[in-house]
Amino acid sequence: DAKTTQPNSMESNEEEPVHLPCNHSTISGTDYIHWYRQLPSQGPEYVIHGLTSNVNNRMASLAIAEDRKSSTLILHRATLRDAAVYYCILRGEPNTGNQFYFGTGTSLTVIP
Amino acid sequence: KAGVTQTPRYLIKTRGQQVTLSCSPISGHRSVSWYQQTPGQGLQFLFEYFSETQRNKGNFPGRFSGRQFSNSRSEMNVSTLELGDSALYLCASSLGGQGLGYGYTFGSGTRLTVV
Repeated sequence: DAKTTQPNSMESNEEEPVHLPCNHSTISGTDYIHWYRQLPSQGPEYVIHGLTSNVNNRMASLAIAEDRKSSTLILHRATLRDAAVYYCILRGEPNTGNQFYFGTGTSLTVIP
Repeated sequence: KAGVTQTPRYLIKTRGQQVTLSCSPISGHRSVSWYQQTPGQGLQFLFEYFSETQRNKGNFPGRFSGRQFSNSRSEMNVSTLELGDSALYLCASSLGGQGLGYGYTFGSGTRLTVV
């Protein structure tokens, strides 16, 4: 199974950018990189996903390394509402074993 | 538009019983996947269905099963419940298809407690 490695926790000051790293050294050529976040007592929420090129949306940016073995989720200005557990996940072809593996994620604390 | 709906929200069952959980995906979404979340093991993938066919399965015993109906609604069943099955069960839906470039929308989950 393709898996990901993330730091257990990170802190950021409010209104500052946050860079959340993720290593996925066993990624295959067809695996998409997904990011989700989960607030307490809620289901995970989709943040962003990409394959090879960097991606931007209203929530965040995703920077993917050229060799695709790592990626970084960028929150441009952290707010208190961004405090959550962030999961980096690989999504692969069906029946390859590369289903969603959430890992432990990174718990982000935003300091006012 | 309506999100992913899971019913019931809370459930208490006795060890040895069986349970069925329901998930209604977002309209138009054809892929439904299920996850178990516990404090000790985190989020673990159970299975994924697309167009009524299971196309991915996690490492759970055969007591855990699921199905998907023609309207894309899905159910998961756990037979012979064990105390360790107490968890939050999450369902997620996606447009699906052969491409993988779709994000998933999660429901709020069903909190199952086995006593």
